[in-house]
Amino acid sequence: GAVVSQHPSRVICKSGTSVKIECRSLDFQATTMFWYRQFPKQSLMLMATSNEGSKATYEQGVEKDKFLINHASLTLSTLTVTSAHPEDSSFYICSARDRRERFFGPGTRLTVL
Amino acid sequence: AQSVAQPEDQVNVAEGNPLTVKCTYSVSGNPYLFWYVQYPNRGLQFLLKYITGDNLVKGSYGFEAEFNKSQTSFHLKKPSALVSDSALYFCAVRDMNNNAGNMLTFGGGTRLMVKP
Repeated sequence: GAVVSQHPSRVICKSGTSVKIECRSLDFQATTMFWYRQFPKQSLMLMATSNEGSKATYEQGVEKDKFLINHASLTLSTLTVTSAHPEDSSFYICSARDRRERFFGPGTRLTVL
Repeated sequence: AQSVAQPEDQVNVAEGNPLTVKCTYSVSGNPYLFWYVQYPNRGLQFLLKYITGDNLVKGSYGFEAEFNKSQTSFHLKKPSALVSDSALYFCAVRDMNNNAGNMLTFGGGTRLMVKP
């Protein structure tokens, strides 16, 4: 089946720095990718939907200037957490959709010290 | 608006016994329904889905789910639980008739604990 990868799988950074997370669809072209955030023992919360070549659509309450999303190609979307703070520590999961269904990446655990 | 409810935060079952993880949904149109499993520090893995047709859907690892339109439910079941089934399970719904066709709404998740 289709595979979605994320890099890095785990990142630890200092408060105030920026972190970039990559999401790639490895064997299909994804016109739409989704970014989710998951807090411990909680469900996935959709942060934004990104379409290749256009601006991302952010969910209510998600700061677009803090969580920068770039969907530069049909196989790559990036999420940049700018000026990260400890409350941004979370598990970030991307999802990519081909014509039929949705596939999820393995997630990236971000820890901000 | 569409929503999903998983009423149990945790389900405990002994190995070899049948298991059920409950899910109810609400959509304005016809639903696409999904079950995903998540192991610690991992992303979601697809288990099964209901689109149309037979109400009983069979999926990965021996899991199955039954779509019940009158009760708006899509409970996940397995006849004989394994310790390795212990994980976090998410039910999700997508409204087939919604213009925002990409919107996948997740339930809060149910932790399944299978004890030997």
